[in-house]
Amino acid sequence: KQEVTQIPAALSVPEGENLVLNCSFTDSAIYNLQWFRQDPGKGLTSLLLIQSSQREQTSGRLNASLDKSSGRSTLYIAASQPGDSATYLCAAQNRDDKIIFGKGTRLHILP
Amino acid sequence: NAGVMQNPRHLVRRRGQEARLRCSPMKGHSHVYWYRQLPEEGLKFMVYLQKENIIDESGMPKERFSAEFPKEGPSILRIQQVVRGDSAAYFCASSLGSVGYEQYFGPGTRLTVT
Repeated sequence: KQEVTQIPAALSVPEGENLVLNCSFTDSAIYNLQWFRQDPGKGLTSLLLIQSSQREQTSGRLNASLDKSSGRSTLYIAASQPGDSATYLCAAQNRDDKIIFGKGTRLHILP
Repeated sequence: NAGVMQNPRHLVRRRGQEARLRCSPMKGHSHVYWYRQLPEEGLKFMVYLQKENIIDESGMPKERFSAEFPKEGPSILRIQQVVRGDSAAYFCASSLGSVGYEQYFGPGTRLTVT
């Protein structure tokens, strides 16, 4: 049974710093690994999707990596800004097409 | 190409009433998934439907919850006799197909049971 874990649950960093959010999953038989952003009381914004055959994806200041063999993914945010404050969700799409979500990391960028 | 649409965005029901949540998939998508996000919990899979068929309902509570995706019209998630524990955000996603196709999420419906 797939389990997705995100560490830390919450993180506060000063503006301008680079940071890494971690995600681990127990079953490496996935189609893809996706990172979402969720603002309080809002919906999901897809940030990056990494197919199982890929190692990483980049969009602007964001870079996500995938290591299936170790069951890990990281989301790297460069030069953090206060507008990056949100909850970041990691999600693995299983072979049965269900998406299993982690509980998220609540990120707070200090101005 | 409009994204996944859900309505209403916010729904308030009293205990014992029925809640109907609607999801219109992206144009051309025939696969719909429902997920629930309870307060302070992660999103969890509820049900997977194709047109007129329930493919996987392993995440649905056994009682009071049902889902459909008719040939015409939106997918409906129906909750009968709502209780306070049903208060949550309900997200719908759609995809072009199964077997690894990306799922696109709607904005969610926030259900509050008073």
